[in-house]
Amino acid sequence: AQSVTQLDSQVPVFEEAPVELRCNYSSSVSVYLFWYVQYPNQGLQLLLKYLSGSTLVKGINGFEAEFNKSQTSFHLRKPSVHISDTAEYFCAFKRAGGTSYGKLTFGQGTILTVHP
Amino acid sequence: NAGVMQNPRHLVRRRGQEARLRCSPMKGHSHVYWYRQLPEEGLKFMVYLQKENIIDESGMPKERFSAEFPKEGPSILRIQQVVRGDSAAYFCASRRTSGIDEQFFGPGTRLTVL
Repeated sequence: AQSVTQLDSQVPVFEEAPVELRCNYSSSVSVYLFWYVQYPNQGLQLLLKYLSGSTLVKGINGFEAEFNKSQTSFHLRKPSVHISDTAEYFCAFKRAGGTSYGKLTFGQGTILTVHP
Repeated sequence: NAGVMQNPRHLVRRRGQEARLRCSPMKGHSHVYWYRQLPEEGLKFMVYLQKENIIDESGMPKERFSAEFPKEGPSILRIQQVVRGDSAAYFCASRRTSGIDEQFFGPGTRLTVL
């Protein structure tokens, strides 16, 4: 079965500290990987995506993620967080090609809370 | 260029009533996806539509749920005879073409069934 597992449901961190949000996926075929952010009562906004090429992907708001094929992981990192980064973060994938029609498979989400 | 619009943002229904959720994709986008987010869960795919066609409804419950995306007007997700378990946030996403184009998400409709 194809799935995404976000290993931490909640991550509290102090402002200006580094953070890593962990994501592992399971798929029998090649996938494209994504991280989305959801602020309270809003829709999802794309942070970054991995399609191919360099395994280190940089996104908006200073976030980056590294694709590790052998470990089937796509962890999200930021070296120094701000209060405004408090939100829920979702890891997702979609099949590369085939007949998945581009539908996304999401993890359960990680709530990042940045404390002053 | 307005983003994906969904209305209403909040919808309250009593058990047995019908819920109609609307999604207006971004201009020039002809592909629409509906996802459901149950409390404390991630988003789950429901249905994928192109103009006038349902392409993939593998995530849609077999009964009471239907979706359409007419030639003119918004996409509609319809839930008949709602039950408490239908309470969730329903998100619509649109995309310009097939392939690896980004999906842009709307703000969601939060359905509460009393």
